[in-house]
Amino acid sequence: DGGITQSPKYLFRKEGQNVTLSCEQNLNHDAMYWYRQDPGQGLRLIYYSQIVNDFQKGDIAEGYSVSREKKESFPLTVTSAQKNPTAFYLCASSNNYNEQFFGPGTRLTVL
Amino acid sequence: EDQVTQSPEALRLQEGESSSLNCSYTVSGLRGLFWYRQDPGKGPEFLFTLYSAGEEKEKERLKATLTKKESFLHITAPKPEDSATYLCAPTSGGSYIPTFGRGTSLIVHP
Repeated sequence: DGGITQSPKYLFRKEGQNVTLSCEQNLNHDAMYWYRQDPGQGLRLIYYSQIVNDFQKGDIAEGYSVSREKKESFPLTVTSAQKNPTAFYLCASSNNYNEQFFGPGTRLTVL
Repeated sequence: EDQVTQSPEALRLQEGESSSLNCSYTVSGLRGLFWYRQDPGKGPEFLFTLYSAGEEKEKERLKATLTKKESFLHITAPKPEDSATYLCAPTSGGSYIPTFGRGTSLIVHP
């Protein structure tokens, strides 16, 4: 089955730690995206990538980093510089101008 | 700046009670408008893409329509399993990144 997988489903971070969220897709999509979702808020774009080895900042990139070494993979690192990282993180992919398909999400909690 | 407003924020219906959700948008040169359904704790599920004013799409009890300023998601004779948050996301002509609204939380009581 084609789709997007995210891991882990739940993640706990201590103060000062960097953590990495995994996102893999086998839809052969060129573009991949990371969003953050907080209660009562819309999806906010963190980073996106149109092609391997290239990515752009979204609206709330501070405190996050990404890489795109393979077409199928777009991991997100939440660094210690992100002061309020507790949120639900969603990865998506698309063929650029078409609809996005989302993964199941990772819920990150800071202890 | 692209803007999207969804209303109402929350809607409670009785099973079988039809209603509509609204998505008002301001984007420069609409490329397409997406509708998604999101269940609690899960990723959004794609429902429809609308491209031009007057276009309509249907899926089971849902029908999405589009004008130059708004999109509506009509729910006919809803069932409890239709309970979810519905998100709309227009995309402007200069970008392929959609702007998501905050969503309408729908609860359908049996």
